[in-house]
Amino acid sequence: KNEVEQSPQNLTAQEGEFITINCSYSVGISALHWLQQHPGGGIVSLFMLSSGKKKHGRLIATINIQEKHSSLHITASHPRDSAVYICAVESGGGNQFYFGTGTSLTVIP
Amino acid sequence: ETGVTQSPTHLIKTRGQQVTLRCSSQSGHNTVSWYQQALGQGPQFIFQYYREEENGRGNFPPRFSGLQFPNYSSELNVNALELDDSALYLCASSSAGAAYEQYFGPGTRLTVT
Repeated sequence: KNEVEQSPQNLTAQEGEFITINCSYSVGISALHWLQQHPGGGIVSLFMLSSGKKKHGRLIATINIQEKHSSLHITASHPRDSAVYICAVESGGGNQFYFGTGTSLTVIP
Repeated sequence: ETGVTQSPTHLIKTRGQQVTLRCSSQSGHNTVSWYQQALGQGPQFIFQYYREEENGRGNFPPRFSGLQFPNYSSELNVNALELDDSALYLCASSSAGAAYEQYFGPGTRLTVT
């Protein structure tokens, strides 16, 4: 069993839809990261959080430490949001990283 | 403020050879982490360097080794290359080791034939 599980694996949405990507983890964490990876490999850090909720533009990330679960929400989705979204957790005081396998999002105009 | 850079961008090596990949961290960052991402997979953590010392390691064999220099740039060395080492190698820098935002480089795509 992987330390980090993401769902869904693939997601297709119509432009304007509200999107939720889920991440569950089984290890103790220092922090949880949501990353965005575009075709070609470039990775951008979207959020780093260890409690509560963060918002940046149309993106919202939440974490429930007790349930070991995080969600990434995208409001009013747009084709430019099409990418792979990866959940990653820092564990062991920050010197171990575990990654989910990613959620491939396609937003159709 | 410069971002994270990696070199080379692409590299082709033969099985059994050795390779060195380089990463320059973002200005002000003292921590560099290296990741391997096979095609279609999520990244896998190789190791992390903090102030020139290895600060954590994933499940990779000893033929994967690294260095961090006083300017906090870093190298990843892989000896005795195997076909399965073909992947995108990403480095990311951050401040102070733990629970800080990671800034990723563009990656080096290694192909082993």
